[in-house]
Formats: sequence, structure tokens, C-alpha cells
Amino acid sequence: DTAVSQTPKYLVTQMGNDKSIKCEQNLGHDTMYWYKQDSKKFLKIMFSYNNKELIINETVPNRFSPKSPDKAHLNLHINSLELGDSAVYFCASSQDFAQETQYFGPGTRLLVL
Amino acid sequence: SQQGEEDPQALSIQEGENATMNCSYKTSINNLQWYRQNSGRGLVHLILIRSNEREKHSGRLRVTLDTSKKSSSLLITASRAADTASYFCATDEMGNMLTFGGGTRLMVKP
Repeated sequence: DTAVSQTPKYLVTQMGNDKSIKCEQNLGHDTMYWYKQDSKKFLKIMFSYNNKELIINETVPNRFSPKSPDKAHLNLHINSLELGDSAVYFCASSQDFAQETQYFGPGTRLLVL
Repeated sequence: SQQGEEDPQALSIQEGENATMNCSYKTSINNLQWYRQNSGRGLVHLILIRSNEREKHSGRLRVTLDTSKKSSSLLITASRAADTASYFCATDEMGNMLTFGGGTRLMVKP
């Protein structure tokens, strides 16, 4: 059983396109996150949702829009993709908000051409 | 922004040797965590140490925390080739979110 799953695993697309990445967790956790990991492996939080409510919205372009239809899902929609959006995007979840152990998905490798 | 910093950035050792990685942070924390990331995979939680703890063990892992120096170390004893991965520390020093360091890339040669 996969605890935190993401689709797709790989995403190659042209600049200017709109794409979505889906995330689901079956751990019954209340909080979910999106992180971006750049080519130097730095991991930066983008968004955090707690019980479907947006809690953290770091300095992320508004081309990125998270959507949480229910507690178990947190999807990421990206409009007008740019070259600099190329990265690995990780979804994660935790029982409660932040601080405690987070469980990560396998990542979505996005390449914008 | 990244607050934690791991040292060294890369470490190469022989199987059976011990590996020590260090992490420094800037402000006060409630806890510090270590995660492992295998190539092409997501991060996996290894251990959490709270600010009132000085040392914690889990199998071949030993984590220390020195809040006066704002630093932590992760020791992997009797390393194996399967320990090859990137290791990240994460703190809650920025409040209600985890802040990750840049990671230490460990290579264990068989």
C-alpha cells in the first residue's frame, strides 16, 4: 500500500502550457504539503493545507494554485509553465500541522522545454 | 528560505566505516529531524530529536543535538552500500513549517 502517492511521476511539457500534479495520502493525516526540490537538491516548501484549509503559502508565483478537494488529496495546478519551474515536486503529509514527522511521496519530475 | 546547513556536502566512505554528518541552524527550535533520500525517491523520515534531548539512537543511527551550538550530528555506524543516499536535516525554526538543509550526499563504496 502506497502511503503518499503522486501522479504523474514524470512530466515533460512545453513552456506556456498548463499542467496538474495529483497527490493522495491514505494515512488519514490532516495536513498535506507541496515542496519543490531544485537541481541542487534544496527542498523548499510551497504550500501547506490543514483539513482542506490553506495554512502556508510561501513566496510562490500565483501561477501555482493548490486545490484540496478533501483531506486525502492535495493537487497542484501550474499555469503558463516557465523554464524555471523545472524541478522535482514532492507532496507530503503529516498527522498534524508541521513540526512532526512528514511522509513524502515519490516526487514528480517536471521538465519544461 | 533554507536555514539548516549540512556539512559536509558530500562524503565518500568504504563499507563498514562510520559516517558522520553535521547540521547547523540559526534560531531556536522545538525539534530537529533527519531524513534520507535515495536517488530518484522521496524523503524518508529517520529520526526526530526534541530540543530537550541530547542524544537519540535508532538501530545503527545515532543523533546528537547541541542547542547551545545550534547543531546536530547524524552518525551511521558500520555503513553499508545501501546507506548511499542524501541525508537532510529539518528544523521547525521558522515556526509552523519544516525547513530543510541542502543535504549531505553520502556514498558508501562496497
